[in-house]
Amino acid sequence: EDKVVQSPLSLVVHEGDTVTLNCSYEVTNFRSLLWYKQEKKAPTFLFMLTSSGIEKKSGRLSSILDKKELFSILNITATQTGDSAVYLCAGHNQAGTALIFGKGTTLSVSS
Amino acid sequence: GAGVSQSPSNKVTEKGKDVELRCDPISGHTALYWYRQSLGQGLEFLIYFQGNSAPDKSGLPSDRFSAERTGGSVSTLTIQRTQQEDSAVYLCASSPEAGGMGSPLHFGNGTRLTVT
Repeated sequence: EDKVVQSPLSLVVHEGDTVTLNCSYEVTNFRSLLWYKQEKKAPTFLFMLTSSGIEKKSGRLSSILDKKELFSILNITATQTGDSAVYLCAGHNQAGTALIFGKGTTLSVSS
Repeated sequence: GAGVSQSPSNKVTEKGKDVELRCDPISGHTALYWYRQSLGQGLEFLIYFQGNSAPDKSGLPSDRFSAERTGGSVSTLTIQRTQQEDSAVYLCASSPEAGGMGSPLHFGNGTRLTVT
């Protein structure tokens, strides 16, 4: 059965800290891995990763995929209170049917 | 509209009643997904529509759940004889490409369903 596992489930840090969120996956005919940020309502798209070893960056956020070890990390540097959210990782199989989501990491950034 | 629109945003219903949740995808998006999110849980896949193909219903938890997509656009998720365990946020997402290959899903704000 396909699955995506995220760790830690929750994390509390101080503003300015750097955090690393982990995502491991077992997805049949893997095609891509996606990261989303969910604050109050709709998850918003952050990154889509298809190739190993190529870092994607957006401001203070970056992510990388390791297809050999079947995991991805999401890094956030110089965290701000606005980074507080649930970060969701999802795997997509080649058939492109459903994204398989992990349970998410709840990040709380205190000022 | 600019994004995926879901209605109602909140729904409170009594156990045993039927409910209908609506999703308006982004115009031109051929793929439409329904997910369910319970408190503290990740997103649980329910059903997927792609163009005129038969929907992937593999995630529907019971035969009380059904969904349709009319004219390749608006979708309705129906839950019959609601139970308290159906309480959750129901999220709809759409994608412009077949199966979302190479393109992320765009989510609506969800419908929060509470069954009393």
